[in-house]
Amino acid sequence: SQQGEEDPQALSIQEGENATMNCSYKTSINNLQWYRQNSGRGLVHLILIRSNEREKHSGRLRVTLDTSKKSSSLLITASRAADTASYFCATASGGGADGLTFGKGTHLIIQP
Amino acid sequence: NAGVTQTPKFQVLKTGQSMTLQCAQDMNHEYMSWYRQDPGMGLRLIHYSVGAGITDQGEVPNGYNVSRSTTEDFPLRLLSAAPSQTSVYFCASSSTWSSNQPQHFGDGTRLSIL
Repeated sequence: SQQGEEDPQALSIQEGENATMNCSYKTSINNLQWYRQNSGRGLVHLILIRSNEREKHSGRLRVTLDTSKKSSSLLITASRAADTASYFCATASGGGADGLTFGKGTHLIIQP
Repeated sequence: NAGVTQTPKFQVLKTGQSMTLQCAQDMNHEYMSWYRQDPGMGLRLIHYSVGAGITDQGEVPNGYNVSRSTTEDFPLRLLSAAPSQTSVYFCASSSTWSSNQPQHFGDGTRLSIL
């Protein structure tokens, strides 16, 4: 069953602009992770934010988490052509042994 | 660093055939898992293992078997392929089964069942 739902499903912006993707989930979580998937490749872990954190940064990435609204956002600043990919949020509700629950993803296209 | 290696990358099967998708990791990770990715569905967990000799079912286990005889390998077996199993299959691993661990994914096996 889908826990996270990304919004929008697709996003096209110009190189250099900022890209914002949102994720909503349904049940309480221990943490939320964001992954990137380039075409034809596996998922790559970007960042993890714990349920007691509100914001986290990693390079050009900024993730926020609002547990009261059950939502998270991923901001990519100063986008580059290489950022073209699909982005997924993933949540873990339990201890983790039963895996992550992924959303359907946001497909981001960076126009040169 | 090889990370997580999946073979084959592509496979076409006929309905009713069986096959094994291979997954190996060289990071000494305890936790390994298999997901399938279908268009518009995100990733769904098939089976997982928290260590050698221990496996359990995920969200969509029907039609699949797994075993974990070594820490490194976690093969996924399709018992009798069906067209509904046409998908992209990803193997993932993490150092432990804690939800705080990032997952390392292979590049997938693209499987078509005719």
